[in-house]
Amino acid sequence: LAKTTQPISMDSYEGQEVNITCSHNNIATNDYITWYQQFPSQGPRFIIQGYKTKVTNEVASLFIPADRKSSTLSLPRVSLSDTAVYYCLVGSLNTGGFKTIFGAGTRLFVKA
Amino acid sequence: DGGITQSPKYLFRKEGQNVTLSCEQNLNHDAMYWYRQDPGQGLRLIYYSQIVNDFQKGDIAEGYSVSREKKESFPLTVTSAQKNPTAFYLCASIKRQGGGNQPQHFGDGTRLSIL
Repeated sequence: LAKTTQPISMDSYEGQEVNITCSHNNIATNDYITWYQQFPSQGPRFIIQGYKTKVTNEVASLFIPADRKSSTLSLPRVSLSDTAVYYCLVGSLNTGGFKTIFGAGTRLFVKA
Repeated sequence: DGGITQSPKYLFRKEGQNVTLSCEQNLNHDAMYWYRQDPGQGLRLIYYSQIVNDFQKGDIAEGYSVSREKKESFPLTVTSAQKNPTAFYLCASIKRQGGGNQPQHFGDGTRLSIL
């Protein structure tokens, strides 16, 4: 299972774009990259998932370079309610089986 | 609506007591998971189960036990052997689907405290 490295914390202001980068140097060919968001005293919630290039949904974009050794979660125009912990996971049901590993995540604090 | 239900939301345990945390899902998901989260930390995997009547230890299984008698249920027992059980416990599930990867769906957690 590929290990991931993320910044421990980030600060931003309302209305700004926030980019959180995750390093996964030993990502395997079949691995996908998945990001989750967690608020205090709640379970993590799926944000976005991708394999290569760029993926966009209604809440975020995920940029993955050609070598796939890193990925960047982009949150456009953050608000106070985006203050949360963001986790990057790398894996595949085809390689690591069903086992998953969460790192410590990135604590994003959005200020007014 | 489909989802994962964890109960109770708060649980208190006396020293030397076993307690069981409930996790039920009506998503028809194949695999289920239990995680432990300590304050300010990430999630650590306790046990996971890919199919009924089968489960594997995660990274911190000591002092815990599970069963998977039904597809929709995956209860976790915190035994008296777990010396530091105070934590936030999260249950999750995944649908096995051919190809690609499936995101986990999480419950809202159970917070366990020692009296």
